Amino acid sequence: AQSVDQPDAHVTLSEGASLELRCSYSYSAAPYLFWYVQYPGQSLQFLLKYITGDTVVKGTKGFEAEFRKSNSSFNLKKSPAHWSDSAKYFCALENTGANTGKLTFGHGTILRVHP
Amino acid sequence: GPKVLQIPSHQIIDMGQMVTLNCDPVSNHLYFYWYKQILGQQMEFLVNFYNGKVMEKSKLFKDQFSVERPDGSYFTLKIQPTALEDSAVYFCASSLEHNSDYTFGSGTRLLVI
Repeated sequence: AQSVDQPDAHVTLSEGASLELRCSYSYSAAPYLFWYVQYPGQSLQFLLKYITGDTVVKGTKGFEAEFRKSNSSFNLKKSPAHWSDSAKYFCALENTGANTGKLTFGHGTILRVHP
Repeated sequence: GPKVLQIPSHQIIDMGQMVTLNCDPVSNHLYFYWYKQILGQQMEFLVNFYNGKVMEKSKLFKDQFSVERPDGSYFTLKIQPTALEDSAVYFCASSLEHNSDYTFGSGTRLLVI
């Protein structure tokens, strides 16, 4: 069975710093990987995805993520961070084998960026 | 961008009663999903739906749960009867196809008392 781990429940940094949110996964085949962001009281918003090809994927709002098969990671990055990036971020994996659109989510990381 | 609307945003219901959660997906999307998030836990897949049929359901999708989308109207999740452990936030999502961008709603916060 697949799983997604976001080891940091909270990340706090100052505006202008570089941010990196960690995500690791466990899956027997080649994964499809996603990052979503959730602002308070709002729905999950798609940031980016990795399906195949270039291991560095760029998404919306200036974010990018790097797929590293060697250590099963898909960390989200942005530099510089802005106070408006404060939100909860979810990493997710899609089961490529069954082709049913079933996403497995991590617990999420709450990011606080101080002005 | 296009949105998924969920109605109602909050619902409080007595244990044993029936509840219907409504989802208005993105208009041209073909695949529909329900996820459940218990407070403090991660979001978990419940079911997906395509062409009028359930394609896959998880072990969380109990016999008391059902989904339908009659005549292109709301995509609904019905729980009958409800139990205390059904209290959670239920998220609806839709997509044009698999492995594409999934659009999520804001969730319905269900409290069973």
